[in-house]
Amino acid sequence: SQTIHQWPATLVQPVGSPLSLECTVEGTSNPNLYWYRQAAGRGLQLLFYSVGIGQISSEVPQNLSASRPQDRQFILSSKKLLLSDSGFYLCAWSGGQGSDEQYFGPGTRLTVT
Amino acid sequence: GNSVTQMEGPVTLSEEAFLTINCTYTATGYPSLFWYVQYPGEGLQLLLKATKADDKGSNKGFEATYRKETTSFHLEKGSVQVSDSAVYFCAHDGASYDKVIFGPGTSLSVIP
Repeated sequence: SQTIHQWPATLVQPVGSPLSLECTVEGTSNPNLYWYRQAAGRGLQLLFYSVGIGQISSEVPQNLSASRPQDRQFILSSKKLLLSDSGFYLCAWSGGQGSDEQYFGPGTRLTVT
Repeated sequence: GNSVTQMEGPVTLSEEAFLTINCTYTATGYPSLFWYVQYPGEGLQLLLKATKADDKGSNKGFEATYRKETTSFHLEKGSVQVSDSAVYFCAHDGASYDKVIFGPGTSLSVIP
């Protein structure tokens, strides 16, 4: 069966520090991968998605970036965090090939202080 | 454009009450429709889905019917439990290849 992992589960970082969040998927190959942010009490904001290794689409211009160095690995990064980067970051995968539901990881709670 | 509109709540119900969370959508083509649930501190889980008009998705006592004529996919449950307290997201996949559009989420709190 397929599983999706995210780490760390929680993170507290000072303003201006770098960020690296990791997401890995097991049990499937060539998945579509997604990064979402959920601010407190708000809905989901799609940040990045990827349909293959090295292929990244950005939905919202910001100080975050994403990379996909391996088929089942998706990394969210920042060189300098802002207070507004605080939130709950969710990684998800889907099977691609058009219409399909997405499967979410457990999320990372990021607090920028 | 492509969007999903749903009541944002919060919705507070007593245990065993009837639940309806309204959802309407705009989409190009004929999307699949989804309801996701997010329990506190967790990621989203697919609750149910429907892939074509008049289909009814159901799971854990929840139901939703794909109404193409009213572009709606309202979530219902006949008798809610405290354990149903969560945020519910309506969504569709009609925006473009490989993307899902989510509504803003509806927070549900069920009190004993």
